Amino acid sequence: ELKVEQNPLFLSMQEGKNYTIYCNYSTTSDRLYWYRQDPGKSLESLFVLLSNGAVKQEGRLMASLDTKARLSTLHITAAVHDLSATYFCAVGSNYQLIWGAGTKLIIKP
Amino acid sequence: GAVVSQHPSWVICKSGTSVKIECRSLDFQATTMFWYRQFPKQSLMLMATSNEGSKATYEQGVEKDKFLINHASLTLSTLTVTSAHPEDSSFYICSAEGGTTSGRELFFGEGSRLTVL
Repeated sequence: ELKVEQNPLFLSMQEGKNYTIYCNYSTTSDRLYWYRQDPGKSLESLFVLLSNGAVKQEGRLMASLDTKARLSTLHITAAVHDLSATYFCAVGSNYQLIWGAGTKLIIKP
Repeated sequence: GAVVSQHPSWVICKSGTSVKIECRSLDFQATTMFWYRQFPKQSLMLMATSNEGSKATYEQGVEKDKFLINHASLTLSTLTVTSAHPEDSSFYICSAEGGTTSGRELFFGEGSRLTVL
């Protein structure tokens, strides 16, 4: 059974700091996704990672995938308040996704 | 990019009534759509996979008679919560696979918040 664990579940940090969110999964899978969700809203796709060693960057966010370790990271560089949201990783095949619990990120000015 | 629209975005109903939520792919055809449920401050739970022209595939523990899914066309899937009760109150999100210049990816609707009184 595929399980997805995110760490940490909650994170409060100051603007300008760096931090990493971790996503571990239990069995091999085709692809790994990162999504952002603002309160009361639906999900926004951030990254899709398909292969070992994949690294993608968009602005202050960078995601990487290590399929051997079954680990993905979402790194936040020089955080700004606008990045406050809940971030989910999800793993699966054919879009039948198993979701992590989410990491609620609060960035204080 | 591809757009998935849900309607209604928020619905309040009385216990015992049925509620229908629509999920439309606005600028692409989707043979497969997915329905999720999200409780407050929790993650998403896949409820079922909706297949155009055939029966939906439900995840373990999801009552198919309670949550009726119909995927009558390549751009529309509906979720009907039958005889709704307060415990059915939740945020329901649909998604559909669509193509972009970067390849295929999953697009999400805006979500529908159901409150059952």
